[in-house]
Amino acid sequence: EVQLVESGGGLVQPGRSLRLSCTASGFTFSDYFVSWFRQAPGKGLEWVGFIRNKRSGGTTEYVASVKGRFSISRDDSKSIAYLQMSNLKSEDTAVYYCSRDPGPSSGYQFYFDYWGQGTLVTVSS
Amino acid sequence: DIQMTQSPSSLSASVGDRVTITCRASQSISSSLNWYQQKPGKAPSLLIYAASILQGGVPSRFSGSGSGTDFTLTISSLQPEDYATYFCQQTYSAPPTFGGGTKVGIK
Repeated sequence: EVQLVESGGGLVQPGRSLRLSCTASGFTFSDYFVSWFRQAPGKGLEWVGFIRNKRSGGTTEYVASVKGRFSISRDDSKSIAYLQMSNLKSEDTAVYYCSRDPGPSSGYQFYFDYWGQGTLVTVSS
Repeated sequence: DIQMTQSPSSLSASVGDRVTITCRASQSISSSLNWYQQKPGKAPSLLIYAASILQGGVPSRFSGSGSGTDFTLTISSLQPEDYATYFCQQTYSAPPTFGGGTKVGIK
């Protein structure tokens, strides 16, 4: 069974850092891109960024609002992707989700078929 | 970035009703559109990709249509488990962007 489980959320003060983890099981993690999303309370979904699989270079892309503050990495040996968030702001308060994406090999891009249950990040003093 | 606009933002319907949700892109996106269902406190679930292809395991009462800038999600006969919020998402270009959502409530 495909599973993605986010962890690491919590209450953090503005300006501080936090690292989220996305632990995968039930599929060959290294074959997939991993995307991170967020959803502010009562709001819609925002794609935060992704990391490609090693076959596609392992490179990352981010939405403009987090560039320079957020960083995505992966450890294929552990089937974990990370979202490192720094200089956090109140507007970063949201539930953060990770999702897998088969990448260009599927013939589709940004095809998010499995998601984790999310982890809440609250940025407040 | 491509803007996605959904309408209506909410609707009320009865079990057995036909429900239609629309999504409009700020530029042509061909058929590069996904639809998701999200229930309270849960992650989104992929329903339809490439505008009209049903994701495996999704009931056939869900269907999608459209291309270019205008798209439609239709639930042919609303079931109790379909009360949820629905989002469209363009996959045409980065960053992938979502519509604001349509909440389907009980009438």
